[in-house]
Amino acid sequence: NSMLSQPHSVSESPGKTVTISCTRSSGSIVSNYVQWYQQRPGSAPTTVIYEDDQRPSGVSDRFSGSIDRSSNSASLTISGLKTEDEAEYYCQSYDSRNVVFGGGTKLTVL
Amino acid sequence: EVQLVQSGAEVKKPGESLKISCKGSGYSFTSYWIGWVRQMPGKGLEWMGIIYPGDSDTRYSPSFQGQVTISADKSINTAYLQWNSLKASDTALYYCARPREAYTSSSHFDYWGQGTLVTVSS
Repeated sequence: NSMLSQPHSVSESPGKTVTISCTRSSGSIVSNYVQWYQQRPGSAPTTVIYEDDQRPSGVSDRFSGSIDRSSNSASLTISGLKTEDEAEYYCQSYDSRNVVFGGGTKLTVL
Repeated sequence: EVQLVQSGAEVKKPGESLKISCKGSGYSFTSYWIGWVRQMPGKGLEWMGIIYPGDSDTRYSPSFQGQVTISADKSINTAYLQWNSLKASDTALYYCARPREAYTSSSHFDYWGQGTLVTVSS
């Protein structure tokens, strides 16, 4: 099991806001940066957030990332949901020198 | 333009060996680590390991240590993922990916190959 836990699925309506959590089970969430990847069916993952809260150029400002020390978790928030946001989302961080992915969250926009 | 182009789909039998490739272009191949990520059918992303082609420094996920070999040939800008004896459970889509920043393995994967589907079946 990954040290990064994500909800298996979330769903929300177009135009609404959704938040996907990523909880670190061992070590501090602030000890290493967290990234978020979006993966649509049949495509390779793409980065939507890197270094906790940075947005790559070309990624909509509807995507934002944050860290909550109290819950030892990271969050990806998507506002103004669009049907095109429907995808699998993975958080990713590091454990020692190893890359670790969360289990992924299926976002359904209905 | 940075590109990672992977070799084509493979169908193999259990016990056979296999080496798949990932060719980088559009950047200094020896300055960036290249990682490998497994995605089993209908499942999530799993980091397998990473190599620095500049000096072939290689790190493996504990889950994949001893199960695969990662290598690189910097003369042809290509990284490899190799199995000596495939199992049915190796059936998956395999991605190579390059971190955003040079010289560090601790940078998010900014560029991904198109994936290589490996099917192992008797």
